[in-house]
Amino acid sequence: GDSVTQTEGLVTLTEGLPVMLNCTYQSTYSPFLFWYVQHLNEAPKLLLKSFTDNKRPEHQGFHATLHKSSSSFHLQKSSAQLSDSALYYCALSDRCSNNRIFFGDGTQLVVKP
Amino acid sequence: NAGVIQTPRHKVTGKGQEATLWCEPISGHSAVFWYRQTIVQGLEFLTYFRNQAPIDDSGMPKERFSAQMPNQSHSTLKIQSTQPQDSAVYLCASSLDWGSQNTLYFGAGTRLSVL
Repeated sequence: GDSVTQTEGLVTLTEGLPVMLNCTYQSTYSPFLFWYVQHLNEAPKLLLKSFTDNKRPEHQGFHATLHKSSSSFHLQKSSAQLSDSALYYCALSDRCSNNRIFFGDGTQLVVKP
Repeated sequence: NAGVIQTPRHKVTGKGQEATLWCEPISGHSAVFWYRQTIVQGLEFLTYFRNQAPIDDSGMPKERFSAQMPNQSHSTLKIQSTQPQDSAVYLCASSLDWGSQNTLYFGAGTRLSVL
């Protein structure tokens, strides 16, 4: 069945350093991948999602590349900001699972001055 | 556009009592999802509706949880005989359509505390 794996529960880094949050997935069909971000006391909201034409989605300095060969959709940013501190969820959806959205366990990103 | 509206924001119940949570999706959205969020389990899928019809309830604890969508403007999640382990934030989300690439728009959630 479909699943999403986020290996890091907590990532702590210093402002200005690059960010990379890992996401790998298992899917029986060609899925769409998403990153959702949840700031403290707020609802999760979409950060970015994969395209069908292999373009690399970008938003607020974050980008992610869907690699079907390695079943990965890692989230990256060249320089972390204090405001990036939040909980990040990788998610997957495909037609074989009734378009149900599968979420990973989430990665808490803490950016320190 | 007010977004997805969930009421109440906080609910405290005693063990064994019933709790009903309400969700008003974004107008025009055809799919409504319910998730439960805890620190330990993260975002757990419960159930979802498309055009008010239940599509997948595989995440629902069968015995005490039920969800309905009587009309396109609201959905309810009912928990009977609440237990302390039901304490969580319950999130409702809607999406414009049913397809795989559609974005979920989440409400602010209902924080349920079972004493």
